[in-house]
Amino acid sequence: AQKVTQAQTEISVVEKEDVTLDCVYETRDTTYYLFWYKQPPSGELVFLIRRNSFDEQNEISGRYSWNFQKSTSSFNFTITASQVVDSAVYFCALSEFSFSGNTGKLIFGQGTTLQVKP
Amino acid sequence: NAGVTQTPKFQVLKTGQSMTLQCAQDMNHEYMSWYRQDPGMGLRLIHYSVGAGITDQGEVPNGYNVSRSTTEDFPLRLLSAAPSQTSVYFCASSSSSRGLDLQHFGDGTRLSIL
Repeated sequence: AQKVTQAQTEISVVEKEDVTLDCVYETRDTTYYLFWYKQPPSGELVFLIRRNSFDEQNEISGRYSWNFQKSTSSFNFTITASQVVDSAVYFCALSEFSFSGNTGKLIFGQGTTLQVKP
Repeated sequence: NAGVTQTPKFQVLKTGQSMTLQCAQDMNHEYMSWYRQDPGMGLRLIHYSVGAGITDQGEVPNGYNVSRSTTEDFPLRLLSAAPSQTSVYFCASSSSSRGLDLQHFGDGTRLSIL
């Protein structure tokens, strides 16, 4: 069965610290997508990144970076020089991917609550 | 661009009452799905649809009904609300076309069952 595990329930850091959120997944599929979403206190889900299973290149977007390693089934998310506005719940998710493409189904991890203190 | 619209945003029900959570999208997406979010459990898939007239169960379907008569709408029905259904509900839609298959989420419906 497919599964996503975010072992860190809550993380608290002081502003300007770097922080890494861990994500480990399980799937038998050879083709799949991995996602990170941010849920700020206002409650909406904000898409951050999507990575397909054939692209193991690390991604950097401003203060955000992602490290995808198929060998360890991990897709970790690092925030550099954290800010108070980064305080949110972060979800890692895995999509089922059929031969014809998207299946419209996501499997989410339990989420990691990040608190950035001033 | 409205995207995915969920109504209502908040609702309080008594045990045993019924209600329908509405979800509409204006992007002509084939796929639509409902998730519930509970503390410490992330989002779990309730039901999903791959097109008008086609629905299937997700991970936690019990107590919920869905139908998909049009591409745009995917309502979620609670026939007899139970306190265990207190949750935040998210509707999502996506396209089956590669490159356009990113999921779009509504803003959520916060439901409390007393």
